[in-house]
Amino acid sequence: DADVTQTPRNRITKTGKRIMLECSQTKGHDRMYWYRQDPGLGLRLIYYSFDVKDINKGEISDGYSVSRQAQAKFSLSLESAIPNQTALYFCATEGGAYSTDTQYFGPGTRLTVL
Amino acid sequence: QKEVEQNSGPLSVPEGAIASLNCTYSDRGSQSFFWYRQYSGKSPELIMFIYSNGDKEDGRFTAQLNKASQYVSLLIRDSQPSDSATYLCAVMGSQGNLIFGKGTKLSVKP
Repeated sequence: DADVTQTPRNRITKTGKRIMLECSQTKGHDRMYWYRQDPGLGLRLIYYSFDVKDINKGEISDGYSVSRQAQAKFSLSLESAIPNQTALYFCATEGGAYSTDTQYFGPGTRLTVL
Repeated sequence: QKEVEQNSGPLSVPEGAIASLNCTYSDRGSQSFFWYRQYSGKSPELIMFIYSNGDKEDGRFTAQLNKASQYVSLLIRDSQPSDSATYLCAVMGSQGNLIFGKGTKLSVKP
């Protein structure tokens, strides 16, 4: 079984709809991250969380919100989706007793906003 | 704004050659450096991390770090067509989050 899972893997929605992307991990890591990836722009950090009570904005948090429901779960919400939020979204985790600062990525969610 | 710069490529090398991928970063206080490989449509996967100046070798891969020049590179020896992918350089920022370059696309021709 994959250590970092994301649901859904693909989603097509319409402008103005509320969307939630979910991330779960079995690695026991404290730190979790949400990125979006656009062609030519690389990976950009949306939000990150160092533990359940810690949420931080990343480079491009406008239009997004997050919830850290438990150590293993970190959800990303688009309250009112717009077409320029069409992208590939990745969740990542990092931490543990022997952390090397390495982030481990989920398989990604491809979101299309029409 | 802390930055990580990479040549976007594409970098094309023949099979069996050495591929050299380069990255510069702006935050002189950065301590941790990473190379990820990403196949099209897939998630990034870690190739190597390096913390200290000098070279670090793992199989066909060698990471090189020069903190004085704020430069980190990845060498791939005996390049194979399966190495064709986008390579992402990442640097640990002062707030504990990774800052990624935009990636270099590598194409290894049989």
